[in-house]
Amino acid sequence: SQQGEEDPQALSIQEGENATMNCSYKTSINNLQWYRQNSGRGLVHLILIRSNEREKHSGRLRVTLDTSKKSSSLLITASRAADTASYFCAPYGGATNKLIFGTGTLLAVQP
Amino acid sequence: EPEVTQTPSHQVTQMGQEVILRCVPISNHLYFYWYRQILGQKVEFLVSFYNNEISEKSEIFDDQFSVERPDGSNFTLKIRSTKLEDSAMYFCASWAAGSHEQFFGPGTRLTVL
Repeated sequence: SQQGEEDPQALSIQEGENATMNCSYKTSINNLQWYRQNSGRGLVHLILIRSNEREKHSGRLRVTLDTSKKSSSLLITASRAADTASYFCAPYGGATNKLIFGTGTLLAVQP
Repeated sequence: EPEVTQTPSHQVTQMGQEVILRCVPISNHLYFYWYRQILGQKVEFLVSFYNNEISEKSEIFDDQFSVERPDGSNFTLKIRSTKLEDSAMYFCASWAAGSHEQFFGPGTRLTVL
């Protein structure tokens, strides 16, 4: 299965702090993607990291990938109240175009 | 910036009625998807569509569901006879070949009474 499992299920931090969430998966992948979902809204693509990359940055986001451990982490630095959302990882194996989402990490950033 | 749009934003229907959910994918995208999310649960894949035919479907996508791209711009999901358990958010997504990012619409909230 290409499904990722996010950890922790919920995370509450203060504005300005960093937030780290993790993803584990079971199969070989071509890339791994992170998405954000604000309550009741659609998913927004955040960042994609390829299987031959170990780390990638985009603004306040930093993603790491360890293919030997089949795990990834998403770090949001200097968090803001607007970062409050659910975050999902989507490992992509290439055999099928569909994305399989886990239950996500619910991040709450307190102002 | 191009975006996927969906209409209506909220649809209320009686059990047993037919509903059609509409999506306008990004214009140069070739792959289209429907996902659904029951309240408090995971986003689940329903169906993918490419070259005017279904390329993959999940177990959820039974005979009550159908998809169509009637005019080259719209992409629709039809539920023939709605059940209470069809109440969910339905998300349309589209994808351009060469990129692995799927663009999601804002969703249609379907409430079956």
